[in-house]
Amino acid sequence: DQQVKQNSPSLSVQEGRISILNCDYTNSMFDYFLWYKKYPAEGPTFLISISSIKDKNEDGRFTVFLNKSAKHLSLHIVPSQPGDSAVYFCAASRNDYKLSFGAGTTVTVRA
Amino acid sequence: NAGVTQTPKFQVLKTGQSMTLQCAQDMNHEYMSWYRQDPGMGLRLIHYSVGAGITDQGEVPNGYNVSRSTTEDFPLRLLSAAPSQTSVYFCASYGQGANTEAFFGQGTRLTVV
Repeated sequence: DQQVKQNSPSLSVQEGRISILNCDYTNSMFDYFLWYKKYPAEGPTFLISISSIKDKNEDGRFTVFLNKSAKHLSLHIVPSQPGDSAVYFCAASRNDYKLSFGAGTTVTVRA
Repeated sequence: NAGVTQTPKFQVLKTGQSMTLQCAQDMNHEYMSWYRQDPGMGLRLIHYSVGAGITDQGEVPNGYNVSRSTTEDFPLRLLSAAPSQTSVYFCASYGQGANTEAFFGQGTRLTVV
């Protein structure tokens, strides 16, 4: 039973606009959340993370929001660029090294 | 700096064959893990190790063995390959502290026919 869910398999956005990726989780014991980006034929690379004691973390064009009561987090990319076209995975952990991943969202940025 | 290196990148096996997927890291990380990625499933944890000589099962361990004789290496063994093990396999290593980012290798695409 997947404890981390990304219900949108794909997202298409115009260059320069905002991309919003959503992620829901079911395990209330998760206390650390991460987003990974993956290009074809490469391994996932770390993008941004957030601890459960925060509700927002920002790094350049990337912002992650956490709503603990709703068990929901989102990743905002502003502005979207062609190089952002990739698969984005949401992941969660319980203060251990065992990450639970969502199924991923494929983002396509249109010129 | 190589990071996490996986070999081979591609492999085709016949049902019943065995093989070892290699993983090596040069960051002196204690924690290493193996994931498999399947369409619509994301990445699922197979086995992990918190240090040399210590391994444990993840979410989907059946059909796989691991060992950790050194800090650098964490091989994954398929004992008797089955078509259900057709997948992309990723090795990852982690820095100090549980809530740190994982560094992934480039993956091994395995097909079992």
